[in-house]
Amino acid sequence: DVVMTQSPLSLPVTLGQPASISCGSSQSLVHSDGNTYLHWFQQRPGQSPRRLIYKVSNRDSGVPDRFSGSGSGTDFTLKISRVEAEDVGVYYCMQGTHSYTFGQGTKLEIK
Amino acid sequence: EEHLVESGGGLVQPGGSLRLSCTASGFTFSNYWMSWVRQAPGKGLERVANMNQDGSEKYYVDSVKGRFTVSRDNAKRSLYLQMNSLRVEDTAVYYCARDPGWGAWDYWGQGTLVTVSS
Repeated sequence: DVVMTQSPLSLPVTLGQPASISCGSSQSLVHSDGNTYLHWFQQRPGQSPRRLIYKVSNRDSGVPDRFSGSGSGTDFTLKISRVEAEDVGVYYCMQGTHSYTFGQGTKLEIK
Repeated sequence: EEHLVESGGGLVQPGGSLRLSCTASGFTFSNYWMSWVRQAPGKGLERVANMNQDGSEKYYVDSVKGRFTVSRDNAKRSLYLQMNSLRVEDTAVYYCARDPGWGAWDYWGQGTLVTVSS
């Protein structure tokens, strides 16, 4: 099974400052069809998860452009250019190339 | 507007059974893979089961194989999860989610809580 490893697991950030979450996979997430099925989800306190980014870098409609995804192969990053209060929650990376596996989650809080 | 509503959760004793339902609206249900994803209290997310549009392909996480069965009724726009031989470790919020492909779940229900306890 593919193991997804996120870091850090806890991320205290000052409002208005940038934040970055890393996600690594135990094997390449490049599918035989050429796509990389690495997605990012946000779960605000008490809410259902919400997709933010799909296939590495495609931002969902309604997601602020301060969120961006990048990476390739086995190393991926979610960046928030300027953290706002509504960004508090847990962020998960998830790979869909080799069955489905989530990262452990990164809890973002305001410092 | 796309909407998913789960139901059927509750308290059940170890070894018992429960059937979860998810009803969809606002999109053509029969066009999509659908999934069940769970979250144990204070823990992360785990895909439990998913199935394709006509039910001919089904996949399960190893820990529920042989105990859980996913099914769907496209005419009723509904997804189901039959859970048998429930264990304490199955306690979780169970979410229904639409899968446009490769786990890119774009719509989620509000979740239904399953508690397995004596």
